[in-house]
Amino acid sequence: QQQVKQSPQSLIVQKGGIPIINCAYENTAFDYFPWYQQFPGKGPALLIAIRPDVSEKKEGRFTISFNKSAKQFSLHIMDSQPGDSATYFCAARDRDDKIIFGKGTRLHILP
Amino acid sequence: EPEVTQTPSHQVTQMGQEVILRCVPISNHLYFYWYRQILGQKVEFLVSFYNNEISEKSEIFDDQFSVERPDGSNFTLKIRSTKLEDSAMYFCATSLLGTGAFFGQGTRLTVV
Repeated sequence: QQQVKQSPQSLIVQKGGIPIINCAYENTAFDYFPWYQQFPGKGPALLIAIRPDVSEKKEGRFTISFNKSAKQFSLHIMDSQPGDSATYFCAARDRDDKIIFGKGTRLHILP
Repeated sequence: EPEVTQTPSHQVTQMGQEVILRCVPISNHLYFYWYRQILGQKVEFLVSFYNNEISEKSEIFDDQFSVERPDGSNFTLKIRSTKLEDSAMYFCATSLLGTGAFFGQGTRLTVV
């Protein structure tokens, strides 16, 4: 059972564009929703996170939008740069503190 | 900036051999995890560890796997008898209560 569904699987955007990655979940016990960025050969790095009582969080060029009623959340990258090219994982933490990952989105920003 | 440190970065082992992967968590963190990532695939939960015991484990974490924190600092993952399908990147992660987990750089395990 896929607890966190992520789309698209891959995404190509021109420099300066706004890639949007979407995630959906079923388990209402999830209480924390982090996004991770992973470069090849590296571990996932915590990028930004949101709690379900907040509808939006912005850190620099990264914004999470959260829709609790729809059980969906998304990552927007403003003014995207080639250096943002990476795999992005949405995730959710359950009450046992286990973090469950989506399948990932390979993002490529064209120069 | 504090970080999670994993050793070795790459381990090659023969099928059937035991391996131990090591992790030094961020010093004040209380929750410890092992995840694995088969090449090009998603990050899969293996086990979580809190208060010196396993709090949860996945179906992947069978009797061949064990974890311990032998000296109060290092956090280890042992695979008793490795199989070809155990080849993957293994990530240690640690967190405080209520925060996201911070991942190490991983150990690439190759079973031949």
